[in-house]
Amino acid sequence: AQKVTQAQTEISVVEKEDVTLDCVYETRDTTYYLFWYKQPPSGELVFLIRRNSFDEQNEISGRYSWNFQKSTSSFNFTITASQVVDSAVYFCALSEKAAGNKLTFGGGTRVLVKP
Amino acid sequence: GAVVSQHPSRVICKSGTSVKIECRSLDFQATTMFWYRQFPKQSLMLMATSNEGSKATYEQGVEKDKFLINHASLTLSTLTVTSAHPEDSSFYICSAHVPSGGGETQYFGPGTRLLVL
Repeated sequence: AQKVTQAQTEISVVEKEDVTLDCVYETRDTTYYLFWYKQPPSGELVFLIRRNSFDEQNEISGRYSWNFQKSTSSFNFTITASQVVDSAVYFCALSEKAAGNKLTFGGGTRVLVKP
Repeated sequence: GAVVSQHPSRVICKSGTSVKIECRSLDFQATTMFWYRQFPKQSLMLMATSNEGSKATYEQGVEKDKFLINHASLTLSTLTVTSAHPEDSSFYICSAHVPSGGGETQYFGPGTRLLVL
């Protein structure tokens, strides 16, 4: 069974601070995909990144960066120089090829960036 | 990215009535769509997988007679909440599966807020 754990339920930072969101996953499949989605107050889920299990390269996109470590089953997300617009709930998710690519979401981390 | 729409965005209905929610892929064909439910301050829970031209696959604990899913075309899936009750009030979100080289990504609709009085 696949499982995703986001230990931090809520993080509050002041604008321009960096914030790191933790994500730990469990899977028995060798082929799987990891995702991060952003859910602003409007409710719509915004796709941020997808990583497959064979690609452990870290990625940077603007102020966002991701650290994928298979050895610790973690896929952490860092927002550098946070802005008020980053305030949202962020979900980490996992899909297994063997499970028909169904997404299992973590509990989500609410990020509040104060001006 | 791929665009998925949902209609309506918000609906209020009386207990006992049925509500239909539409999910459309606007610029691509989706053989597979997914329906999720999200209660306030909680995560998304998969309800069912909707496959074009065949019966939906429901997750354990989801009543298929209460949540009717129809995927009649490659761009449209509908979720009908039959005989809705206040406990069905929730945020319903659909997603469409977009296969791509090296992996698959789900793109989500904007969601539908259902309030049953």
